[in-house]
Amino acid sequence: KAGVTQTPRYLIKTRGQQVTLSCSPISGHRSVSWYQQTPGQGLQFLFEYFSETQRNKGNFPGRFSGRQFSNSRSEMNVSTLELGDSALYLCASSYGLAGGPQDEQYFGPGTRLTVT
Amino acid sequence: KNQVEQSPQSLIILEGKNCTLQCNYTVSPFSNLRWYKQDTGRGPVSLTIMTFSENTKSNGRYTATLDADTKQSSLHITASQLSDSASYICVVSADFGNEKLTFGTGTRLTIIP
Repeated sequence: KAGVTQTPRYLIKTRGQQVTLSCSPISGHRSVSWYQQTPGQGLQFLFEYFSETQRNKGNFPGRFSGRQFSNSRSEMNVSTLELGDSALYLCASSYGLAGGPQDEQYFGPGTRLTVT
Repeated sequence: KNQVEQSPQSLIILEGKNCTLQCNYTVSPFSNLRWYKQDTGRGPVSLTIMTFSENTKSNGRYTATLDADTKQSSLHITASQLSDSASYICVVSADFGNEKLTFGTGTRLTIIP
């Protein structure tokens, strides 16, 4: 069974630009969650999509948005990029809602975004 | 506000030795606690998941314990190997609410030969 895939793996953008990251979950998984990971802050939850609906949202500005398609693939968009958005962006998929005691979350390899 | 604190921040041990990583949390209402291993440049991989009623769970050389009364968990690694060098992240899940998952900042473990 193929794992979670994320594209692209690496990205360099300049301030003010926008970026779209893509995540393909494990086949059959309905939940996709997005996280930002920086050395100082660790992993921070961005949002979770389940069956095309946003179910939970972390404490990030509106410049961060996402969506999920009918095949469970998800995209994350960041508009008006700032230097502080440089981070590793991870997505994770699970069959049920993230965090459930019976639901294992599987992470992708991440997209390393550098904003200059 | 839910919080998860891990200690130590970093740890260096000799190959073959044992070590214990700590996780203290204030998450309510508690649902479950997970330990993840994250190799450099890769996504985290789940090691164990424990619910309120479980106080120990093993995965090979990794053994996690949970004390729900004191809100503490530990991850014990036995007979460490070079491949154990990684960051270990403690994640606590709440039963509901926007702060469903709270992540610790991790312990960076380095195994030296």
